[in-house]
Amino acid sequence: EDQVTQSPEALRLQEGESSSLNCSYTVSGLRGLFWYRQDPGKGPEFLFTLYSAGEEKEKERLKATLTKKESFLHITAPKPEDSATYLCAAATTDSWGKLQFGAGTQVVVTP
Amino acid sequence: DTEVTQTPKHLVMGMTNKKSLKCEQHMGHRAMYWYKQKAKKPPELMFVYSYEKLSINESVPSRFSPECPNSSLLNLHLHALQPEDSALYLCASSHLGVPTYNEQFFGPGTRLTVL
Repeated sequence: EDQVTQSPEALRLQEGESSSLNCSYTVSGLRGLFWYRQDPGKGPEFLFTLYSAGEEKEKERLKATLTKKESFLHITAPKPEDSATYLCAAATTDSWGKLQFGAGTQVVVTP
Repeated sequence: DTEVTQTPKHLVMGMTNKKSLKCEQHMGHRAMYWYKQKAKKPPELMFVYSYEKLSINESVPSRFSPECPNSSLLNLHLHALQPEDSALYLCASSHLGVPTYNEQFFGPGTRLTVL
């Protein structure tokens, strides 16, 4: 059975304290790994798509990487506005458009 | 432009009411989706509409009924809902029709409360 697991569940950071979020996956035929940011009560905001192991994508203080078993979202020198829940999701050969979401990591950045 | 719009933003309804949620995208995307999200949980797929075909998550009860009037609009008709159906309802779209492995873009959601 396809599974996407995110860790940690929650992360509290001081402003400027860099950290990484983990998304491990056991799926048959990964076709895409996606990262989203979600603020409370709002829809997920698309961040990155990764298609193959070794691929990296970067946007402002965020950098996403992909290996054959997991993906990392690195947050460099976070600011309070980076506080959100970060979701990863996998699309697989058999998923037919369905994204397999992880449970998310709730990040709080304090000044 | 990667905007998906949803109306209304908030909806309160009784268990005997009939209401509809609306979703619109003008990006020429070929697939549209409805998701349900409960608090502290990830989104859960309900329906996919692509190339004039509807795919249904078989666990979704029949009191939820999707309708796609055209390629830019996706409605969700609600009838005889239960309090446990209270949730954030999200619409999304993707550039390519299913099966697709590209990103989905989400709307802001409709917060539904069933009394």
